[in-house]
Amino acid sequence: GAGVSQSPRYKVTKRGQDVTLRCDPISSHATLYWYQQALGQGPEFLTYFNYEAQPDKSGLPSDRFSAERPEGSISTLTIQRTEQRDSAMYRCASSGRGGVGETQYFGPGTRLLVL
Amino acid sequence: AQSVTQLGSHVSVSEGALVLLRCNYSSSVPPYLFWYVQYPNQGLQLLLKYTSAATLVKGINGFEAEFKKSETSFHLTKPSAHMSDAAEYFCAVLVKGGTSYGKLTFGQGTILTVHP
Repeated sequence: GAGVSQSPRYKVTKRGQDVTLRCDPISSHATLYWYQQALGQGPEFLTYFNYEAQPDKSGLPSDRFSAERPEGSISTLTIQRTEQRDSAMYRCASSGRGGVGETQYFGPGTRLLVL
Repeated sequence: AQSVTQLGSHVSVSEGALVLLRCNYSSSVPPYLFWYVQYPNQGLQLLLKYTSAATLVKGINGFEAEFKKSETSFHLTKPSAHMSDAAEYFCAVLVKGGTSYGKLTFGQGTILTVHP
């Protein structure tokens, strides 16, 4: 597509529920990133994919968080048994090959609120 | 580990005045540095980036930034503010090498307000 898209744009859920967030990167881009942004803070790295491979999961806060990109295109981020501290903006970005210094193009984000 | 500090969570200027948003970084190796802007209800948009070429970097919308290694700074400037510049600005650092070569570390952001 023309840009990175994310859905849903807003998600309200109750504590303990599972949620799945979706990212559709720019169609030619090999590399995809997930970031979490708490209110009043900058984005923090969660994980990234190079096509379907996931070389780095070091930023995932706990084993309740998982991400996949099975066909090297669309990616999902799943949070199981959500907690109130998971409330944040979740941002997806993509870049051509993930090379050093390459520009990351960001989607509009998904605002998650856990009640 | 690298880190970024943005001095001032809120900056307010008058239309036509100089914009100066401050960013200092910490990195044990020469970094790549970025400025992103976020307008309401939109994603982060790249303003400019430093990748070890010229130390004065020009970006979109009349913004520029200068990499100063001795001061570990990468401040963002614009000579004359416009109302449309009102947004949140993020400085970020990326460290070369390693398995996570695409990982950006962001500052906490600076909200720029422009008064008529």
